Amino acid sequence: NAGVMQNPRHLVRRRGQEARLRCSPMKGHSHVYWYRQLPEEGLKFMVYLQKENIIDESGMPKERFSAEFPKEGPSILRIQQVVRGDSAAYFCASSQDRSYGYTFGSGTRLTVV
Amino acid sequence: GENVEQHPSTLSVQEGDSAVIKCTYSDSASNYFPWYKQELGKRPQLIIDIRSNVGEKKDQRIAVTLNKTAKHFSLHITETQPEDSAVYFCAARPNTGTASKLTFGTGTRLQVTL
Repeated sequence: NAGVMQNPRHLVRRRGQEARLRCSPMKGHSHVYWYRQLPEEGLKFMVYLQKENIIDESGMPKERFSAEFPKEGPSILRIQQVVRGDSAAYFCASSQDRSYGYTFGSGTRLTVV
Repeated sequence: GENVEQHPSTLSVQEGDSAVIKCTYSDSASNYFPWYKQELGKRPQLIIDIRSNVGEKKDQRIAVTLNKTAKHFSLHITETQPEDSAVYFCAARPNTGTASKLTFGTGTRLQVTL
């Protein structure tokens, strides 16, 4: 089992560009969660998805951010028109169902220049 | 929603001593409490978890205790070693409706000195 796979590991974008972060959950996991971590800070919830459905997006900024988890393929976190404040580590986690703990991916470190 | 507070933010202990990290939660519906260890530049990794139907759980040098009445839970590491140095996060999750996301504490940076 390859675990939770995130790519890219590092992503550099200029202000105004789009960032696309990908997450493939562990085999057999249908619940995906995205968290953001600023340097020296904790993990802030962004969005919780199941296949083809957004279950909870209460942590997502209202503008520029979107997420999807299609029937086929990885979950995608998209940030449009990135700004310097978007620079952070973005972690994806998956779980087998709601009652289980998470397994985290290695994260994508986004740097906006 | 759930709010989790974690103390202390930094903790320095000598090798061989014990370390205790404490968390409180706000939502009485929370029933799952994991602890994660994050080394520098790495992913958070689950080290131990506890559910609300038990008061204590041990795994070798690591133990977690839960007080549901007071809504707090603690991580205990005994006989600390340099490789225990990392940031530790507590988390809580209610099991109601769609609120199955984990809410994390702000983290404790543990430094084990020789």
